[in-house]
Amino acid sequence: NAGVTQTPKFQVLKTGQSMTLQCAQDMNHEYMSWYRQDPGMGLRLIHYSVGAGITDQGEVPNGYNVSRSTTEDFPLRLLSAAPSQTSVYFCASRFSGGSYNEQFFGPGTRLTVL
Amino acid sequence: RKEVEQDPGPFNVPEGATVAFNCTYSNSASQSFFWYRQDCRKEPKLLMSVYSSGNEDGRFTAQLNRASQYISLLIRDSKLSDSATYLCVVNGAGGGNKLTFGTGTQLKVEL
Repeated sequence: NAGVTQTPKFQVLKTGQSMTLQCAQDMNHEYMSWYRQDPGMGLRLIHYSVGAGITDQGEVPNGYNVSRSTTEDFPLRLLSAAPSQTSVYFCASRFSGGSYNEQFFGPGTRLTVL
Repeated sequence: RKEVEQDPGPFNVPEGATVAFNCTYSNSASQSFFWYRQDCRKEPKLLMSVYSSGNEDGRFTAQLNRASQYISLLIRDSKLSDSATYLCVVNGAGGGNKLTFGTGTQLKVEL
């Protein structure tokens, strides 16, 4: 199993550009989520999905869109990049239904917005 | 008050030392608790879950105190390879089946 994969690993954008961060998992997990990690802030939830066709907002959703057309894929779209979106982005997945299910993370995407 | 709070450290300890981290959470209805480990510029990985009766995994011991709303992690006989950031994670701290992460406690084990 590849686990959770993310592309790209690094990205530099100019203010106003849009892009999609890709995330895929091969563990048949229902629950997928996107986090951003900033120094001193910890991981903050952007959007999450409990299954194909179902998405919801997390703590910091503004400026981001998601969709979940398949169980495997959960892309994150930046609509119009801003310097405040410079961060490390992690995608994660786990089984639903239990409260002690391990959450697996992708290797992260390091995004810089100039 | 933050939903999950940790002392950011850093904790600098000599090899072989015992070190303990605490974490507090604000929502008494929180369902489950974890410690994750994050190495520099890497993704977080599950270190251990924390159960009501407390649990141990080799040199690592986790405790949960629901009455006082804190969890702890004890590392005995620290190794250089234990140097990392330890994240306290609570399921349901913000409501629902969502994980809330503390900002992490940095541990540096030195010769």
